[in-house]
Amino acid sequence: GDSVTQMEGPVTLSEEAFLTINCTYTATGYPSLFWYVQYPGEGLQLLLKATKADDKGSNKGFEATYRKETTSFHLEKGSVQVSDSAVYFCALSDRRSNTGKLIFGQGTTLQVKP
Amino acid sequence: EPEVTQTPSHQVTQMGQEVILRCVPISNHLYFYWYRQILGQKVEFLVSFYNNEISEKSEIFDDQFSVERPDGSNFTLKIRSTKLEDSAMYFCASPQANTEAFFGQGTRLTVV
Repeated sequence: GDSVTQMEGPVTLSEEAFLTINCTYTATGYPSLFWYVQYPGEGLQLLLKATKADDKGSNKGFEATYRKETTSFHLEKGSVQVSDSAVYFCALSDRRSNTGKLIFGQGTTLQVKP
Repeated sequence: EPEVTQTPSHQVTQMGQEVILRCVPISNHLYFYWYRQILGQKVEFLVSFYNNEISEKSEIFDDQFSVERPDGSNFTLKIRSTKLEDSAMYFCASPQANTEAFFGQGTRLTVV
């Protein structure tokens, strides 16, 4: 079945450092890809998305490009802030099924130190 | 931004008791989902609900679980006889087809 694999955390960075969180997927259909963020004590919020190959999703300085050839959707940010400390989840949704069901990766904890 | 509301935010219950978790999804959405996140682990799909019936459920969603939309707006998840391993964060989600899902803030269930 479909699955999502993320790099293990925690990832600890200093403020203004460059961030990459790797995400790869396995899917038999045509997935849409998402990054969700969970701040401490809060629910899941959509960070960005991409619905087809070569699309780039971006929001709040974060970017991720849908790479079909490498089945990847790595999250990047050029300069992280302490306020970016959170758990980041990569997820996919199979567009063929048209139901919006999400399959999540295991989550990567990011800690940004001042 | 559309909002999904869940109540309560935290529920503590004794093992063997029944709990009902409530969600008010986005009104014009057709699918509703429950997900579970055991502390420190991935978010797992439990069940999807469409047109007032279950459309898909995971192996986690056994006979102890049920979902209802009792009054056309609220969407509930019931656990009939809670076990310690049911302790988790439960999220309600309200997606649109092929677009992002909007999640509630979650209910933290603690079974003691």
